[in-house]
Amino acid sequence: GESVGLHLPTLSVQEGDNSIINCAYSNSASDYFIWYKQESGKGPQFIIDIRSNMDKRQGQRVTVLLNKTVKHLSLQIAATQPGDSAVYFCADPGTNTGNQFYFGTGTSLTVIP
Amino acid sequence: KAGVTQTPRYLIKTRGQQVTLSCSPISGHRSVSWYQQTPGQGLQFLFEYFSETQRNKGNFPGRFSGRQFSNSRSEMNVSTLELGDSALYLCASSPLAGTGANVLTFGAGSRLTVL
Repeated sequence: GESVGLHLPTLSVQEGDNSIINCAYSNSASDYFIWYKQESGKGPQFIIDIRSNMDKRQGQRVTVLLNKTVKHLSLQIAATQPGDSAVYFCADPGTNTGNQFYFGTGTSLTVIP
Repeated sequence: KAGVTQTPRYLIKTRGQQVTLSCSPISGHRSVSWYQQTPGQGLQFLFEYFSETQRNKGNFPGRFSGRQFSNSRSEMNVSTLELGDSALYLCASSPLAGTGANVLTFGAGSRLTVL
């Protein structure tokens, strides 16, 4: 079946450093991916998305890289701040046409001041 | 613009009882999806509603049901509660029916504890 996984359950970085969170997916037909951030006590919040016709997409302090060959994507956060401490999920709809997404298990990012 | 509102935020039930959770989507959003979040299984899709019709359903038993009203508000119901139903139930809305490429806006969730 479909699966989306994250490489590391936890990640600690020093404030000001760059963070890299990885995600692997199983369905080579997946053509859309979203990264969400979930802070304690809140629901997931959209960070950035990317379609499969792109290799890279940049937002404000965040960059997502997509490698379709190895079915891997990563989220890079530049100059990590304490407010970036949260759990990060990648998600993709697989071959679903509705709003049914498969979510990875999440990476908990802790920023050390 | 108000976000996705879920009520109640916290509730405690006992095994065998039933529970109804409510979700008000962002104004103008017609698609509402429900997800269950647990430490062991992560985020798992329950079902999606659009224009009062269930479009997709995840792999959950029939004890889990939902509905959507004409104003796009949605409810989900869990009957005959089991301990394993303890979870954070998240509602997400989207303006479109879904082409597999829509951003979901999530509510803060309803934390259900079953004793």
